[in-house]
Parts: sequence; C-alpha cells; structure tokens
Amino acid sequence: GENVEQHPSTLSVQEGDSAVIKCTYSDSASNYFPWYKQELGKRPQLIIDIRSNVGEKKDQRIAVTLNKTAKHFSLHITETQPEDSAVYFCACSIYNFNKFYFGSGTKLNVKP
Amino acid sequence: NAGVTQTPKFQVLKTGQSMTLQCAQDMNHEYMSWYRQDPGMGLRLIHYSVGAGITDQGEVPNGYNVSRSTTEDFPLRLLSAAPSQTSVYFCASSPLMTRGPSGYGYTFGSGTRLTVV
Repeated sequence: GENVEQHPSTLSVQEGDSAVIKCTYSDSASNYFPWYKQELGKRPQLIIDIRSNVGEKKDQRIAVTLNKTAKHFSLHITETQPEDSAVYFCACSIYNFNKFYFGSGTKLNVKP
Repeated sequence: NAGVTQTPKFQVLKTGQSMTLQCAQDMNHEYMSWYRQDPGMGLRLIHYSVGAGITDQGEVPNGYNVSRSTTEDFPLRLLSAAPSQTSVYFCASSPLMTRGPSGYGYTFGSGTRLTVV
C-alpha cells in the first residue's frame, strides 16, 4: 500500500510567522491529497485539499503545493495565530479510490 | 443533518470481552471507514466500505469485523478485546471520488475512546 511520511513531528513558531509542513508519498498513482486539522480532544477536520492536476491551491492563510515528480506535497500557513495550534495530518488517496493513507501528524504550536 | 454519529464516546472493556462500536451517517455517503488513532502513529485504516454489502480490509484489520447492511450504518465489532486495542477510534464517511472532481474529504465522527484492561 501507500506509504506517507510527514515532517516535522512538532513545529513551534511565533505568532505571525509562517509554518510549513511537508509530506512525501510512495505511490505515483495517488491523485488526491487532503489536509486535516485536529484540535486537542476533537475530531480531524478537512482544511484544504488538492488533486494531482493542480500544482497549488490557496484558501486565505493556508495553501497546499504539490510536486508530482518528487512525490511530495506541503501545507503552508501564513500569519499564524494561536488558534492555529493543533495537530495537522496529511493524507493521500490512490486514483479513484476513497481509501486514504495518513501521515503521522505534525503538532503545531503557535506562541503568542 | 447530524453528519457522522459515533457511540459510545468512552468505553472500558476487560480483556476477552466483545463489543460493537456504532457509526451512522445521514449524508448518503457511499464510502465509510474505521480508523484507529494511536500517539505518534497518525490514523490507521482498519476496515472500509464503498457501499451496502461491500467491505474490505485496511492496514490493521486483525481483531475487528465490520458489516454494511445499509448505506447509513457501519458498525465495528471487536471480537475478543486485547490491551493492544486500546485506542481512539474514528468513523469517517465521504462521497465516492468517482462522482466528480472535488469534495472527497472525510467527515469524521467525534470518536470513541476505548480502554482495554
């Protein structure tokens, strides 16, 4: 099956700085890449996603970039705020299948 | 529209006991799945289903059974609980990706925290 690696496992930034989380995947057939945010004790929630026919997607302060050749994709959060503190998971899905493989998560701490 | 509803929220089992975790969704999603979440290991797929009557194994299926008799419900059964099954369990659903170009992110239930002693 697919192997998804996520880095870093923890990330601490100052409020207002940018944060970048990176994921690599192994199967070139993967074509859908969602990102989830999980606050402490809560369920994961989708924050942004991208398909393989697009190189970048942006939604306000968050953006995702995809490099299909290198098989990696990244989450970018600009102007971080304390409420961005959470665990972020990347995931990917093989072509036309809903079965997602998740990264191990990144704990983001935004210091006020 | 309740989304994905999981019950119970918390459960303590003794080793060897069996139980069923319930999951129901009211969004008419074809795809449903169960994940377990352990510290430092992200979310690992246990079983999934692409429609009523169709189920398949994920990464960590041993010790768990599922069935999908209706579109709405996807229960997870622990056959003989073991301490290694102590975890937080999430049910998730989504429309099938074959429907079109977007909108396939999962909707997760609120989770079941299971402790096996």
